[in-house]
Amino acid sequence: SQTIHQWPATLVQPVGSPLSLECTVEGTSNPNLYWYRQAAGRGLQLLFYSVGIGQISSEVPQNLSASRPQDRQFILSSKKLLLSDSGFYLCAWRSGRTEQYFGPGTRLTVT
Amino acid sequence: GIQVEQSPPDLILQEGANSTLRCNFSDSVNNLQWFHQNPWGQLINLFYIPSGTKQNGRLSATTVATERYSLLYISSSQTTDSGVYFCAVEFSWRSQGNLIFGKGTKLSVKP
Repeated sequence: SQTIHQWPATLVQPVGSPLSLECTVEGTSNPNLYWYRQAAGRGLQLLFYSVGIGQISSEVPQNLSASRPQDRQFILSSKKLLLSDSGFYLCAWRSGRTEQYFGPGTRLTVT
Repeated sequence: GIQVEQSPPDLILQEGANSTLRCNFSDSVNNLQWFHQNPWGQLINLFYIPSGTKQNGRLSATTVATERYSLLYISSSQTTDSGVYFCAVEFSWRSQGNLIFGKGTKLSVKP
């Protein structure tokens, strides 16, 4: 069966520090991968998606970037964090034209 | 304009009561999913339902794609049903499974 992992689970970082969040998927090949953010309140917003190694599409301009160095690995990064980057970051995957499945998330607090 | 709209935004029920959550969407869809976000933030897949009706235990969902709405029914509610319920859609004019989320319905079930 397929599983999705995210780490770290929680992170507290000072403004201006770098960021690296990792997401890995097991049990599937060539999935579509997604990064979402849930800010204070309830809505989730799509940040990036990838349909293959090295292929990244950005949905919104921001202080973040994403990379996909391996088929089942998706990384979210920042060179210098802003206070507004705080939030709950969720990675998701899907295979083919089916439903998306979400990871457990990373809660980021920028101080 | 608003693309995915959920109602009601908040709902308080007594244990054992039934409820109906609604999701309206503004255009034709390839995909529609219902999620339950538990207190730890995990998004749990409830239904993948771009059209038709499905049932899973005490939960059922109906999507009427031609009229652009979906309903989630919760019967005999339990305290463990508490949390936020999200509707998310992939519009036909978008590609690669990118989901747009509604703002959610926050459900509180009292014992």
